[in-house]
Amino acid sequence: QVQLVESGGGVVQPGRSLRLSCVASGFTLSPYGMHWVRQAPGKGLEWVAVMWYDGSDEYYADSVKGRFSISRDNPKNTLYLQMSGLRADDTAVYYCARGVYSNGWYPDFWGHGTLVTVSS
Amino acid sequence: SYVLTQSPSVSVAPGQTATITCGGNNIGSKSVHWSRQKPGQAPVLVVYDDSDRPSGIPERFSGSNSGNTATLTISRVEAGDEADYYCHVWDSRSNHVVFGGGTKLTVL
Repeated sequence: QVQLVESGGGVVQPGRSLRLSCVASGFTLSPYGMHWVRQAPGKGLEWVAVMWYDGSDEYYADSVKGRFSISRDNPKNTLYLQMSGLRADDTAVYYCARGVYSNGWYPDFWGHGTLVTVSS
Repeated sequence: SYVLTQSPSVSVAPGQTATITCGGNNIGSKSVHWSRQKPGQAPVLVVYDDSDRPSGIPERFSGSNSGNTATLTISRVEAGDEADYYCHVWDSRSNHVVFGGGTKLTVL
């Protein structure tokens, strides 16, 4: 069945880096845009980044632009999020989500998330 | 940047109809999607492109979108519908996904 499994979360000190991975199974990543979305404890969903289906374009929320980088390896069916300069307010569950195109890439299927805690 | 506004909470008795709204400037010109998130779980898409349902989502879930308001309607509400509901759109000016703040549906 369709699955997205995130990994790479954990506790990290402020200013350090972390790389998240998201492995897709049950479908091929290549036709889909892919998103990262996060949710701080007790808060709502916050979109983080998107990458076009072929990796030709990427966009970021203002809150992470210049610090986070999204990438994908379609043959490995894997999405990544490289996070640097981490801050306490980056603490959240990070979800990867498959994007379907309809007047833009909307998330139609989500992984279960990986928790990132930024703390000294 | 584009902003979506949702009421923080809605309460409804079992068997009644829940109406959850999502406000945005000329939102009727955009495709609106709705996702449900139960506590401790990942979000699940329940309505896409204003009013379409993914497979496996009951017909009790319906959506509409016009003017400055999009609406998610849940008919014959059940205890299992209790969750947070988020509207979201694609903002073509910024190439960003925009989420509403979420509405907590409580089944009395």
